[in-house]
Amino acid sequence: ETGVTQTPRHLVMGMTNKKSLKCEQHLGHNAMYWYKQSAKKPLELMFVYNFKEQTENNSVPSRFSPECPNSSHLFLHLHTLQPEDSALYLCASSQGSGDYQPQHFGDGTRLSIL
Amino acid sequence: LAKTTQPISMDSYEGQEVNITCSHNNIATNDYITWYQQFPSQGPRFIIQGYKTKVTNEVASLFIPADRKSSTLSLPRVSLSDTAVYYCLVGSFTGGGNKLTFGTGTQLKVEL
Repeated sequence: ETGVTQTPRHLVMGMTNKKSLKCEQHLGHNAMYWYKQSAKKPLELMFVYNFKEQTENNSVPSRFSPECPNSSHLFLHLHTLQPEDSALYLCASSQGSGDYQPQHFGDGTRLSIL
Repeated sequence: LAKTTQPISMDSYEGQEVNITCSHNNIATNDYITWYQQFPSQGPRFIIQGYKTKVTNEVASLFIPADRKSSTLSLPRVSLSDTAVYYCLVGSFTGGGNKLTFGTGTQLKVEL
């Protein structure tokens, strides 16, 4: 399924670098999500955007900064990350209104912090 | 958010039917039950969703009893490629998007 595309697929960065993760959905959805999945741990919801407005920030450190310029694109800006931030970062989208609809996920960005 | 409980792992053989049961005792009236499949280094893939009774699609069936406090995902005639982690979630539309809580899932291993 290529409805949700994430780039890059892999990223290695130092703790002082600044990088951004990109997510694009082609499903006409209005809600977009960032999740973090660390090794052997459940997915953790980080941020939720609905119609470009942030509706959820799950106590995420400020070194992670999301941006949602429109309903099709979502970014996660990274700055001064820590080794424990190494994980698979997943983006998802869903309908933002009406009846409950399931989320559709991208294949993630594997992030490694040196 | 309703919490779910499912077995940590299950083993099966090719061609067998696999049933994975999930408990969600505090499911709310507006909650739907959704199952996802995840392969290593990939995002979860939607399998099936239901509210009550039975739902069937081309890959699975979902059985939900009348009290909705549990659900069972049924995978008919599994193959090696069905080896994956299966997540059971309950959630509802909140007006600000859907907030789902993933548990640890069930690691299904299918062998020859």
